[in-house]
Amino acid sequence: QKEVEQDPGPLSVPEGAIVSLNCTYSNSAFQYFMWYRQYSRKGPELLMYTYSSGNKEDGRFTAQVDKSSKYISLFIRDSQPSDSATYLCAMRALSGNNRLAFGKGNQVVVIP
Amino acid sequence: NAGVTQTPKFRILKIGQSMTLQCAQDMNHNYMYWYRQDPGMGLKLIYYSVGAGITDKGEVPNGYNVSRSTTEDFPLRLELAAPSQTSVYFCASSSTPLDRPYGYTFGSGTRLTVV
Repeated sequence: QKEVEQDPGPLSVPEGAIVSLNCTYSNSAFQYFMWYRQYSRKGPELLMYTYSSGNKEDGRFTAQVDKSSKYISLFIRDSQPSDSATYLCAMRALSGNNRLAFGKGNQVVVIP
Repeated sequence: NAGVTQTPKFRILKIGQSMTLQCAQDMNHNYMYWYRQDPGMGLKLIYYSVGAGITDKGEVPNGYNVSRSTTEDFPLRLELAAPSQTSVYFCASSSTPLDRPYGYTFGSGTRLTVV
């Protein structure tokens, strides 16, 4: 079983729709959870991070962590064409060598 | 702007040639990483470093070498390039584990084709 599972299937939505992305993980030691956004032909950039369980909201973006289910989600409200990108989840434990475990990424296309 | 700088942005190599991918950061980060990204496969860790003079293997180190003589620089060396090394390579850096978890800062990537 991989440490982080993220269905890499592309997702196409109309402009204004809610985008829902998720990852599951197997390592119960993970405490920090992050979402990266990667535009075409660019490096990933940190979009949001959360510590332990709970929700975090930043504008149109909401990150959720459910540690009991080992499940994290990212929601994008009122999606815009500029949100078209690949979204990667990432996570790590509190201790250790600061290495992140990444999901494979979800390609999102927002159609005007 | 502060960040991670990768050079070159593109390169075509012939099978058997060698090259060095350069990576430099100006954020005084101790941790640096090299990843390769293939379509649908996500990021795979090649090598990482926790400080000057200290490097370690990641998931896919075969065919690559690294060195870390300074905090700022972390070059990746490809010896005897093979078509399987055709990929996009990303360098990243991060602050120490005791700091807040801002995650990694990535460079813009080097797109390598081996023919």
